[in-house]
Amino acid sequence: DSGVTQTPKHLITATGQRVTLRCSPRSGDLSVYWYQQSLDQGLQFLIQYYNGEERAKGNILERFSAQQFPDLHSELNLSSLELGDSALYFCASGGEGHNEKLFFGSGTQLSVL
Amino acid sequence: QKEVEQDPGPLSVPEGAIVSLNCTYSNSAFQYFMWYRQYSRKGPELLMYTYSSGNKEDGRFTAQVDKSSKYISLFIRDSQPSDSATYLCAMSRMGGGNKLTFGTGTQLKVEL
Repeated sequence: DSGVTQTPKHLITATGQRVTLRCSPRSGDLSVYWYQQSLDQGLQFLIQYYNGEERAKGNILERFSAQQFPDLHSELNLSSLELGDSALYFCASGGEGHNEKLFFGSGTQLSVL
Repeated sequence: QKEVEQDPGPLSVPEGAIVSLNCTYSNSAFQYFMWYRQYSRKGPELLMYTYSSGNKEDGRFTAQVDKSSKYISLFIRDSQPSDSATYLCAMSRMGGGNKLTFGTGTQLKVEL
């Protein structure tokens, strides 16, 4: 068990809908990272938060947004969903340094029908 | 063209074999190199971390980085059925922290 908790494990929704994915980082970790894993693109970095502030942005669509709350849990909001948004969404927590280990949650499998 | 290329496999080997997994990359700015292991329906877990060129060994695992060729490798000695998983290479730039660029992963099956 990595100590990172993601809910829900599975989500099935329709095109055009909006969903929220939730992540609780490991105790003591201030950074939360969101990654998207699809069959054709692999694991792609979306966004990082550190102690409530956005720290880095990757290939995150404008329809997607995230935030980190004072208790350090994070939410990833996906809106106007398209079929191509179907993927496994991972949250990871850990340090910011290059030699600091990232711990990944088990992911949320999103299916857009 | 993707920044990081990795043969998706699947790769099937007998128990006890030496496994070689590889990635090539195109961006010379990458300085930090990692290998992650991902079991089915689980998140990736860090196996090996290397800075710049060179070798690093940890038990049955050896990571090699050749920056001049933009090529990284992971060797697994005495492979076990429990090593059956998807192996992802990952890398980051100086100052990039844990903003990682991943390969698409190689699926490995170690057969009894």
